[in-house]
Amino acid sequence: DTAVSQTPKYLVTQMGNDKSIKCEQNLGHDTMYWYKQDSKKFLKIMFSYNNKELIINETVPNRFSPKSPDKAHLNLHINSLELGDSAVYFCASSQWHRENEKLFFGSGTQLSVL
Amino acid sequence: QKEVEQNSGPLSVPEGAIASLNCTYSDRGSQSFFWYRQYSGKSPELIMFIYSNGDKEDGRFTAQLNKASQYVSLLIRDSQPSDSATYLCAVNSPGTYKYIFGTGTRLKVLA
Repeated sequence: DTAVSQTPKYLVTQMGNDKSIKCEQNLGHDTMYWYKQDSKKFLKIMFSYNNKELIINETVPNRFSPKSPDKAHLNLHINSLELGDSAVYFCASSQWHRENEKLFFGSGTQLSVL
Repeated sequence: QKEVEQNSGPLSVPEGAIASLNCTYSDRGSQSFFWYRQYSGKSPELIMFIYSNGDKEDGRFTAQLNKASQYVSLLIRDSQPSDSATYLCAVNSPGTYKYIFGTGTRLKVLA
């Protein structure tokens, strides 16, 4: 069973379009994240949700809107896509209050904006 | 100053050698430290975590932590070509609800 699953794996779209990425975890974790990885492999946190509540929004443009319907799901909707949005987006989860709890990653969504 | 810093590499080592990867962090309140390995086109996978000062060994991997110097390292003994990947250092601090990653070090193990 996949612990953190995200779909789609690849997303190719035109500038100006709106797209969504879905993420689900079956680990019972209370915290979920979206990370963006650029072409230089730098993983930058975008959002963090704890028990469905937005905890971190790291100066991400308003075009990005996360939504957590329950603790097991965290989706990402992107409006008016721009060329600079092209990257790999990783969903992840952890159990925050457990010492040394590791971060589990989804397989990533490669977004290409043309 | 970046929160977590790593040398981007590439770090090239011959097969069978020891690879040494280094990471420094800026937040003295950081409590947990992680090393992830990421193969090209794949998601990061955890190799080691360390919480206390000193060394922690797991098979061919040893993580070393020095909180006074704000330094954490990963040693890979008997390096294999299959160890060739990008190694990401990550740090978290209590109450922050985020893991901060370094830029990663690309390791090449030459057969």
